Amino acid sequence: SQQGEEDPQALSIQEGENATMNCSYKTSINNLQWYRQNSGRGLVHLILIRSNEREKHSGRLRVTLDTSKKSSSLLITASRAADTASYFCATKAGANSKLTFGKGITLSVRP
Amino acid sequence: GAVVSQHPSWVICKSGTSVKIECRSLDFQATTMFWYRQFPKQSLMLMATSNEGSKATYEQGVEKDKFLINHASLTLSTLTVTSAHPEDSSFYICSAVGGGWDTQYFGPGTRLTVL
Repeated sequence: SQQGEEDPQALSIQEGENATMNCSYKTSINNLQWYRQNSGRGLVHLILIRSNEREKHSGRLRVTLDTSKKSSSLLITASRAADTASYFCATKAGANSKLTFGKGITLSVRP
Repeated sequence: GAVVSQHPSWVICKSGTSVKIECRSLDFQATTMFWYRQFPKQSLMLMATSNEGSKATYEQGVEKDKFLINHASLTLSTLTVTSAHPEDSSFYICSAVGGGWDTQYFGPGTRLTVL
């Protein structure tokens, strides 16, 4: 069964704008990860945030984690047309547990 | 970064035939590999976890006799869809991890179409 639920399900923005995607989950986690998937392709790992971390940055990406609310957000700043893809959050209950994916968010960045 | 390849990238087969999909870790030794299935515009559903040299662990509802998984070496796992039917048509993605399980590296996926 799916653990993460992302919202919105679809997001369309103009190039240069920021994109914020949210993920909520149900059970306690060891870490939460965000992945990107271009149409018809495999997944690319973007960033991992551990349960004892609150915020992480990687280039134009900023991820936050609120374990009290069981939620995470992924912010992409200064979006580009190349950021158009589906984005998934995935959680791990333990360090060696399997990844459980959310349903994904489709991001469209208009040039 | 770590690279995982899949072969073939797409395959079309007739109903009743078997199809083998390969997953290779190109620049690291994968102690564990995972096989996922993804329907159009949906999320990834884990099918099974395979460890090198041992039997795969299948998720609930996945038929082990239908989806045969072999992890013969630290760089290769195969998924064989036996007696394929149209409902087996899907996007199959593998991933691999090295010593730690923190980051999974995903292959590019294989599109299977069963006629």
